Amino acid sequence: EAGVAQSPRYKIIEKRQSVAFWCNPISGHATLYWYQQILGQGPKLLIQFQNNGVVDDSQLPKDRFSAERLKGVDSTLKIQPAKLEDSAVYLCASSPTGGPYNEQFFGPGTRLTVL
Amino acid sequence: GQQVMQIPQYQHVQEGEDFTTYCNSSTTLSNIQWYKQRPGGHPVFLIQLVKSGEVKKQKRLTFQFGEAKKNSSLHITATQTTDVGTYFCAGPNYGGATNKLIFGTGTLLAVQP
Repeated sequence: EAGVAQSPRYKIIEKRQSVAFWCNPISGHATLYWYQQILGQGPKLLIQFQNNGVVDDSQLPKDRFSAERLKGVDSTLKIQPAKLEDSAVYLCASSPTGGPYNEQFFGPGTRLTVL
Repeated sequence: GQQVMQIPQYQHVQEGEDFTTYCNSSTTLSNIQWYKQRPGGHPVFLIQLVKSGEVKKQKRLTFQFGEAKKNSSLHITATQTTDVGTYFCAGPNYGGATNKLIFGTGTLLAVQP
């Protein structure tokens, strides 16, 4: 079974530039998550999708971050414009459903450096 | 908001020594999940505990969920170099409809051969 795919793996941009990340979850998984992991910290949930609908985006900085999952499969996360403090690893995860007892399967992440 | 703290932040052991990390939530959890993240890697699910006071074992790893469902521990017996990594606990709020996991602060384990 293929895992969660993410691209790119690494990205370096200058502040105020835009960047987009792509995620393809495990086939059949209805729930998709985007996390931000700053060095030395645990992952922080940015947004959770159930199929193509948003379940939770309470910690997404909506003035600069946006995400979509138009067909209920793959998803993109965009930052526009980027700030220095956005430097982090962006992890995508998926689970079969959005229930509280589902383990989450993480992708390899995209390491973003903002200069 | 809900906070999940782990202690210690970092532990360095000699191979063969035991290791324990403790996880404490500010709110009651419906379940607790443990993930391992190797250096440069991504979190990988280890186990889930659901019942109050539950204990589960995976080879050298023993997981416990507290009676009040607000704390948990992971104990590794006779550590090996393959145990190196950061161990995170994570849990959704009790009664929550979604699996919004709040991750702990993590414990980084270093094992010296």
